[in-house]
Amino acid sequence: GQQVMQIPQYQHVQEGEDFTTYCNSSTTLSNIQWYKQRPGGHPVFLIHLVKSGEVKKQKRLTFQFGEAKKNSSLHITATQTTDVGTYFCAGMAGNNRKLIWGLGTSLGVNP
Amino acid sequence: NAGVTQTPKFQVLKTGQSMTLQCAQDMNHEYMSWYRQDPGMGLRLIHYSVGAGITDQGEVPNGYNVSRSTTEDFPLRLLSAAPSQTSVYFCASSNGRLRTEAFFGQGTRLTVV
Repeated sequence: GQQVMQIPQYQHVQEGEDFTTYCNSSTTLSNIQWYKQRPGGHPVFLIHLVKSGEVKKQKRLTFQFGEAKKNSSLHITATQTTDVGTYFCAGMAGNNRKLIWGLGTSLGVNP
Repeated sequence: NAGVTQTPKFQVLKTGQSMTLQCAQDMNHEYMSWYRQDPGMGLRLIHYSVGAGITDQGEVPNGYNVSRSTTEDFPLRLLSAAPSQTSVYFCASSNGRLRTEAFFGQGTRLTVV
């Protein structure tokens, strides 16, 4: 079946270091979304990407959608302790409205 | 604007008991879904609905029932609770168009003993 692989599973960084998480799909995606879940919280939508090669920025966060629409990345510049949480990618394939979720990357930030 | 409301927030059940997790949204969203989240397993889709009167199974539907009699409500029923159903459950909704965000409820932490 359709799968979205997300790496790494965990990462700890020192505050101020950069962080990147990657998602790779086994099939071409119509769009991909990113969510953040704080410890003990619920997933919160960050962004969605639709176009091949699309790049979007939100302050220190940069999101990319690959040219083949099979991979995506989230890059955080100069991490802060407020960035702690699990970051999930979720893709849609074709006209199917079901989201295919990655397993998430858990980010820890040491102050 | 309440968004997606889930109740209860916490629940302890004995094996074999049944219960219903409530989910309500006030955004007139067509699409609603239930997920369970277990450590290291990400979010797994249990059941979903594309509109009132329409439901379908996700990847882990066994042991759960759903109904969608109104646009607003999408309850999840555990028929006979088992320890394997100990998990955090999230309800989510979206407006049904393809490229829109999912809004999640606060979650229900369920323990089955």
